[in-house]
Amino acid sequence: ETGVTQSPTHLIKTRGQQVTLRCSSQSGHNTVSWYQQALGQGPQFIFQYYREEENGRGNFPPRFSGLQFPNYSSELNVNALELDDSALYLCASSSNLAGQETQYFGPGTRLLVL
Amino acid sequence: AQSVTQLGSHVSVSEGALVLLRCNYSSSVPPYLFWYVQYPNQGLQLLLKYTSAATLVKGINGFEAEFKKSETSFHLTKPSAHMSDAAEYFCAVSPLTGNQFYFGTGTSLTVIP
Repeated sequence: ETGVTQSPTHLIKTRGQQVTLRCSSQSGHNTVSWYQQALGQGPQFIFQYYREEENGRGNFPPRFSGLQFPNYSSELNVNALELDDSALYLCASSSNLAGQETQYFGPGTRLLVL
Repeated sequence: AQSVTQLGSHVSVSEGALVLLRCNYSSSVPPYLFWYVQYPNQGLQLLLKYTSAATLVKGINGFEAEFKKSETSFHLTKPSAHMSDAAEYFCAVSPLTGNQFYFGTGTSLTVIP
């Protein structure tokens, strides 16, 4: 049991819509990272939040945005959905920004864009 | 820039046979390295990680990996495959600071009874 939870588990949207995915980090963790995992691919880093501030971003357009709250839970928002946004979205938490810290993953939210 | 390459997108082994999953990293400075396993419709679970303390790292479920700087490799092994090992395996690299993981494309392991 990793302690990281995500909601919803599944979501179906149509092209052009907006979506918000939620993540609760493991107790005591102040760092949250989001990943997109397309079918048959490895997770791709979207961005990371540390103590409510964005701390790095992968190669994703600005319509992917996020928030981290004082309790260190987090949201991923995607605007103007495209068909290629269909994927498993994974949230991971860790206890700090040190490179050797393990990231603990949630079960993911599977998004289908029609 | 950090990156990892996993050679072999699909590996099949017989039950009881040696498991070898390959991972090579690209970095000017030896990074931190991780192996994760993903079962169908689940998130990722940590198997083991290299953090420069010891080059041979033992993980859960009988898996181990050896960091070889000269070969820029961090291959995952298990002496004897079990049916329950069938899953997707991902190698990931993290820079020395920042805790931002970069994953390989994964290797799907099939165990044949």
